[in-house]
Amino acid sequence: DAKTTQPPSMDCAEGRAANLPCNHSTISGNEYVYWYRQIHSQGPQYIIHGLKNNETNEMASLIITEDRKSSTLILPHATLRDTAVYYCIVRGSSARQLTFGSGTQLTVLP
Amino acid sequence: DAGVIQSPRHEVTEMGQEVTLRCKPISGHNSLFWYRQTMMRGLELLIYFNNNVPIDDSGMPEDRFSAKMPNASFSTLKIQPSEPRDSAVYFCASSLFQGRVGETQYFGPGTRLLVL
Repeated sequence: DAKTTQPPSMDCAEGRAANLPCNHSTISGNEYVYWYRQIHSQGPQYIIHGLKNNETNEMASLIITEDRKSSTLILPHATLRDTAVYYCIVRGSSARQLTFGSGTQLTVLP
Repeated sequence: DAGVIQSPRHEVTEMGQEVTLRCKPISGHNSLFWYRQTMMRGLELLIYFNNNVPIDDSGMPEDRFSAKMPNASFSTLKIQPSEPRDSAVYFCASSLFQGRVGETQYFGPGTRLLVL
């Protein structure tokens, strides 16, 4: 699976949009981009995933660049409860496991 | 939905003792995963099962670790004998069917293990 690069930490004001970037320049054509988050002391939580097209669900939006070498997770209106470590994971169709990197610690400030 | 259930939530034991962690996956899910999380190594996959059969245990650190899935609704991870370096948070996750493109995993709350 392709490796991902994320900033180690980010801050966001409560109520504003949080935009979390991820670089995956070695991604191959059949690999998906997944986002999970882990709130302190809890298990990782699935957020969203996509292949080529932008995706949106009740939690977030995922914007994937046309060349698929990077993506951005958008939390449209961040709340204090969104403070967590966010993991960007690239995973192929035949991969069994999720390979978690270091992630981005997002802190939502009041 | 009850989600993935793990027990105990916390375990403190002494070096050399046997430790058994338990997991109940989401009903109807065919795949089950055991992960370990430490500050030094992050989240690591230990083993996963498809339809109760162990598929890949290459992440199991050593022979002291063993995992079983006797039926679709229950799995155990056993450490015997336990050592202080086994102290970590152990997560169980399940998915509907691993290998299908786009399948997601749902994690339990984890078991915090401290070996003294």
